[in-house]
Amino acid sequence: GAVVSQHPSWVICKSGTSVKIECRSLDFQATTMFWYRQFPKQSLMLMATSNEGSKATYEQGVEKDKFLINHASLTLSTLTVTSAHPEDSSFYICSARQGVATNEKLFFGSGTQLSVL
Amino acid sequence: QKEVEQDPGPLSVPEGAIVSLNCTYSNSAFQYFMWYRQYSRKGPELLMYTYSSGNKEDGRFTAQVDKSSKYISLFIRDSQPSDSATYLCAKETSGSRLTFGEGTQLTVNP
Repeated sequence: GAVVSQHPSWVICKSGTSVKIECRSLDFQATTMFWYRQFPKQSLMLMATSNEGSKATYEQGVEKDKFLINHASLTLSTLTVTSAHPEDSSFYICSARQGVATNEKLFFGSGTQLSVL
Repeated sequence: QKEVEQDPGPLSVPEGAIVSLNCTYSNSAFQYFMWYRQYSRKGPELLMYTYSSGNKEDGRFTAQVDKSSKYISLFIRDSQPSDSATYLCAKETSGSRLTFGEGTQLTVNP
């Protein structure tokens, strides 16, 4: 299947700093990417939909000024957690859609564990 | 009421057992349902994708959708220790946005 690469796999940062997470589709072009957050022993919660060349669409309750999403090319989307605080510590996962048709073509990255001290 | 409800378990079975994982959903308009497997601290891996009512089989895995009762199931035959993971059901909303169940943690004991 198609490969979605996510980097870094884990990051530790101090409170108040910003962290950037990259999501790349390695062998296909992704017009749409999705960012999820997962707290321990909980399910994935969709944060935002990232569209190449346009503004991201955020889910209700997700602060767009805190979680900056940039989808500058068809193979790269970035999520920047600005002024991170301990409550932002979580597992962040991206997914990318291959093609425009079926949901079968949705692939996930390996996730990024963020720990804010 | 959550859109997708799933018993979080944990579920522990002996090797070789048949595993039954279940979810219910609340919105009858949904048509696409998926089952994902997630190992600890990894991204979800798509196992099964179903569109309509009935069964879909892939190797040891069978996905079942009953739209009349809004019930979806995943059966794993001849379960193996390597099947130990969290299994997530999901349904599709517009534009490939997925809503996940809580996930069921499965342990297959050798």
